[in-house]
Amino acid sequence: SQQGEEDPQALSIQEGENATMNCSYKTSINNLQWYRQNSGRGLVHLILIRSNEREKHSGRLRVTLDTSKKSSSLLITASRAADTASYFCARTRTTLGRLYFGRGTQLTVWP
Amino acid sequence: EAGVAQSPRYKIIEKRQSVAFWCNPISGHATLYWYQQILGQGPKLLIQFQNNGVVDDSQLPKDRFSAERLKGVDSTLKIQPAKLEDSAVYLCASSLVISQVSYNEQFFGPGTRLTVL
Repeated sequence: SQQGEEDPQALSIQEGENATMNCSYKTSINNLQWYRQNSGRGLVHLILIRSNEREKHSGRLRVTLDTSKKSSSLLITASRAADTASYFCARTRTTLGRLYFGRGTQLTVWP
Repeated sequence: EAGVAQSPRYKIIEKRQSVAFWCNPISGHATLYWYQQILGQGPKLLIQFQNNGVVDDSQLPKDRFSAERLKGVDSTLKIQPAKLEDSAVYLCASSLVISQVSYNEQFFGPGTRLTVL
């Protein structure tokens, strides 16, 4: 499957802690993106990292990409209850190509 | 800026009935996508339009699903006849024109939750 795997499937932490989610894939990529989905709502784009980049930051988000290991991680620092959501990584093989989403990680942040 | 609009938000039908979903993308976005998201899974692309032309419909079950974007703006996705396994959330997304040298992020609508009984 080109969807790859996200790990863990579920993560439960306290406010203020850091949350790390991982994404692995099997084929070459052009870029990898992370999306957030709150319960019963559409997806929101968080960050995009291109295949020639190794790390990107956006606010409390830090994304790393290791193309040799075909894996990426999303770190949310100083988590808040409002970060509770499902997080998906999505890969594309070309700029014109389709996005392949994983099954997602369900993050719960307790106040 | 208005987001991607979808209607209806919820739909319950019996198997073998027909159903249609509507999507209005963000103004000026040339690319429109329909995704199917089954409970517990990530979205799966059904069809991608650029203006009113189809870019990718390889995952669309064409024996029962159809989609159109006649004027290159809003779009409809139809299922006829529906099966139990079509129960899912149908998401519409849009983005600016995609090209070989740039990639524009996709903006998603709230989705239509379809239940087939």
